[in-house]
Amino acid sequence: QVQLVESGGALVKPGGSLRLSCAASGFAFSDYYMTWIRQAPGKGLQWVSYISNTGNTIYYGDSVKGRFTISRDNAKNTLYLQMNSLRAEDTAIYYCAREGWVGEEGEGAFDKWGQGTMVTVSS
Amino acid sequence: QSVLTQPPSVSGAPGQRVTISCTGSSSNIGTGSDVHWYQHLPGTAPRLVIYGDTNRPSGIPDRFSGSKSRTSASLAIAGLQAEDEADYYCQSYDTSLSAWVFGEGTKLTVL
Repeated sequence: QVQLVESGGALVKPGGSLRLSCAASGFAFSDYYMTWIRQAPGKGLQWVSYISNTGNTIYYGDSVKGRFTISRDNAKNTLYLQMNSLRAEDTAIYYCAREGWVGEEGEGAFDKWGQGTMVTVSS
Repeated sequence: QSVLTQPPSVSGAPGQRVTISCTGSSSNIGTGSDVHWYQHLPGTAPRLVIYGDTNRPSGIPDRFSGSKSRTSASLAIAGLQAEDEADYYCQSYDTSLSAWVFGEGTKLTVL
């Protein structure tokens, strides 16, 4: 059974840093592209960052480019998001999600999601 | 403001059919990029209900269906049930932004 469990969310002051983790189980993590998506309070879903299965291809949304770094450790089946220079507008629930593999059910969509971890940026 | 436009809310009585629209542009849906739909209850993990414009993952009732035409897409839910009450988001890829994009979300209320 596919499971994604985020952790690391906390209350942090503006300008601070935080590292989120997403522990994956129940599937061949090293085969799948992964992404981080967030939801600010009262707002909709916003894509944050994306990483290929090997980590060789990475993309960021404009609002986090230069401040956030996505990475993965396939030996530990874990996805990470290093968040620096945090701002109040980064306050959100952060979800990790898997991109469905070509030829499989859910192809090209974010087919499995975690429950999310809350990040609050406030002084 | 999102590049994919959805109505803020829709509602229907149990047993009725509702549709949720998702309007994009020539840089996202209009390029042929797949449209996916997610169901989200606050405090829970979003769930994929339609992928690749029209496909249902296993476990999603056939009451859920998707369609796409030119620069817009729709999610239809037939035979509404109380358990369908949730927020629904469309999602695609925008070539001008080089980004995965979501609609603002539509709150479905089952009356």
